[in-house]
Amino acid sequence: QKEVEQDPGPLSVPEGAIVSLNCTYSNSAFQYFMWYRQYSRKGPELLMYTYSSGNKEDGRFTAQVDKSSKYISLFIRDSQPSDSATYLCAMSSLRDDKIIFGKGTRLHILP
Amino acid sequence: DTAVSQTPKYLVTQMGNDKSIKCEQNLGHDTMYWYKQDSKKFLKIMFSYNNKELIINETVPNRFSPKSPDKAHLNLHINSLELGDSAVYFCASSQDPGGNSYNEQFFGPGTRLTVL
Repeated sequence: QKEVEQDPGPLSVPEGAIVSLNCTYSNSAFQYFMWYRQYSRKGPELLMYTYSSGNKEDGRFTAQVDKSSKYISLFIRDSQPSDSATYLCAMSSLRDDKIIFGKGTRLHILP
Repeated sequence: DTAVSQTPKYLVTQMGNDKSIKCEQNLGHDTMYWYKQDSKKFLKIMFSYNNKELIINETVPNRFSPKSPDKAHLNLHINSLELGDSAVYFCASSQDPGGNSYNEQFFGPGTRLTVL
């Protein structure tokens, strides 16, 4: 089993819809959970991070972590065409510098 | 005003050649990284350096040799290039937060390497 599993998509939704992106993981030592967004031909950029379990909201984006199920989610409300990108979940353990990335989900928001 | 910059942006070369990719960060960060992103978009760490000292060295062939002349630069030299080395290589940097603080990494724009 890979350390981090993420459905590569592509996922196509109409503008204005709620988008749900998910990852599962196997390493219970992970404490930091991140979502990176990567536009085509660009480097990844951090969107949100969460420490341990719980929810975090930032504008139209909400990150959720369920450590008991080893499952994390990113919700995008009122999705816009500019949200079209690849979203990579990523995780690291406490004090460990190494980040393990999921394969990324390609998201298309249709105008 | 780019925070993490890489050169070149594109690199096309023949199998067997030796090439280098350069990375510079102007964020004053202590740690720098090299990642490889393959054709399926899987992003995997190769190396990390903290203040010019090698910290992480994942199972990367020894044809790949990182070099850090100072903490603002981390270059990647690749000997005897192979077809399977074709990928996008990303440099990243982060501040050393200490304690339990999260360690955000800032990525460069990537270098697209094509080996023919």
